[in-house]
Amino acid sequence: KAGVTQTPRYLIKTRGQQVTLSCSPISGHRSVSWYQQTPGQGLQFLFEYFSETQRNKGNFPGRFSGRQFSNSRSEMNVSTLELGDSALYLCASSTDRTYNSPLHFGNGTRLTVT
Amino acid sequence: GESVGLHLPTLSVQEGDNSIINCAYSNSASDYFIWYKQESGKGPQFIIDIRSNMDKRQGQRVTVLLNKTVKHLSLQIAATQPGDSAVYFCAENRNAGNMLTFGGGTRLMVKP
Repeated sequence: KAGVTQTPRYLIKTRGQQVTLSCSPISGHRSVSWYQQTPGQGLQFLFEYFSETQRNKGNFPGRFSGRQFSNSRSEMNVSTLELGDSALYLCASSTDRTYNSPLHFGNGTRLTVT
Repeated sequence: GESVGLHLPTLSVQEGDNSIINCAYSNSASDYFIWYKQESGKGPQFIIDIRSNMDKRQGQRVTVLLNKTVKHLSLQIAATQPGDSAVYFCAENRNAGNMLTFGGGTRLMVKP
């Protein structure tokens, strides 16, 4: 079974631009979560989607948004990029038959903002 | 490789020895805990999980211990191998969704 797939693998953007990252979950997984990883802050939760609805949201500004499609694929968007948005963005999926099912992560999208 | 933490605590062990990685969690209401392994350039890889109604759970070469009294979690790796070298994260679930709160990570280095 294929794992979580994230595209693109690397991105370089300029301050003020916007960016869209894509995630394809493991087949059959309906819950998709996004995390930001930086050396200073570690792994921080952005948001979680289930059945096209945002179920949880972390403490990030409104410039960070996401959505989930009917096939469970998800995208996240960051508008008006800032230098501090440079990070590894990780997507994770789970079966979510019950709450508290393990998340399985993709290899991330490395975003660099210059 | 990509850095996942510039100032991570580091555990250095000899190949073949057992490793113990510790983690303190903060929320007594957390009811689900997971250990992840992250290698350079990759996303976190699920190792083992444990629910709060258990004290111990074993997998292949790994054991997780949960002490709810002192809010402490540990990961034991038996017969540590060079391929175990990575950063290890504990994570706790504080609510009913899939929102995880991660610890800062521990870098495990295995000396041949």
